Amino acid sequence: GAVVSQHPSRVICKSGTSVKIECRSLDFQATTMFWYRQFPKKSLMLMATSNEGSKATYEQGVEKDKFLINHASLTLSTLTVTSAHPEDSSFYICSARGGWERSYEQYFGPGTRLTVT
Amino acid sequence: AQTVTQSQPEMSVQEAETVTLSCTYDTSESNYYLFWYKQPPSRQMILVIRQEAYKQQNATENRFSVNFQKAAKSFSLKISDSQLGDTAMYFCAFMRVIGGATNKLIFGTGTLLAVQP
Repeated sequence: GAVVSQHPSRVICKSGTSVKIECRSLDFQATTMFWYRQFPKKSLMLMATSNEGSKATYEQGVEKDKFLINHASLTLSTLTVTSAHPEDSSFYICSARGGWERSYEQYFGPGTRLTVT
Repeated sequence: AQTVTQSQPEMSVQEAETVTLSCTYDTSESNYYLFWYKQPPSRQMILVIRQEAYKQQNATENRFSVNFQKAAKSFSLKISDSQLGDTAMYFCAFMRVIGGATNKLIFGTGTLLAVQP
């Protein structure tokens, strides 16, 4: 199956700083990428959907100025957590979907654990 | 709006035995996809099985099979000959067909399955 990578896998940052998480589709072109947040033993919460070259669509309650999403190419999307605070500590997962012939297939990255101190 | 319900937060099964995880959903759509994803302790999301709503035949993938009851809006997962490696959180998910690649997955709350030796 298709591979999606995330970098970094773990990151610790100080309160007030910003941190960027990268999501890459390694062997296919991802027309759509999704960003999720997951708390321990909980389900995935969709934060936003991004399409290459256009602005991300954020879910209700997600602060777009705090969680900046950029989908600059068909293989790369980034999530930047700006002015991070301890409550932003979480597990962030991206996923990617290809073109119409794979429109139902969604491939997940391995996740990034963010700890804000 | 679509919803997905998993009523079993935790389940346990003995190795080599069979276990069934339940999932119900609510939608007014006639065509959609249903999925079961597995999230082991590594937290990598893995697709277990997929069912297209227009197909009457239940999907099967090796030891994993589903019981898809469209009228009842039920989509249970049966794991046969359970193995220790099946220990994971299992998520049921729904996705509309209309809208293509931008359609988002609607996840249930998950069932934590523990396979006991």
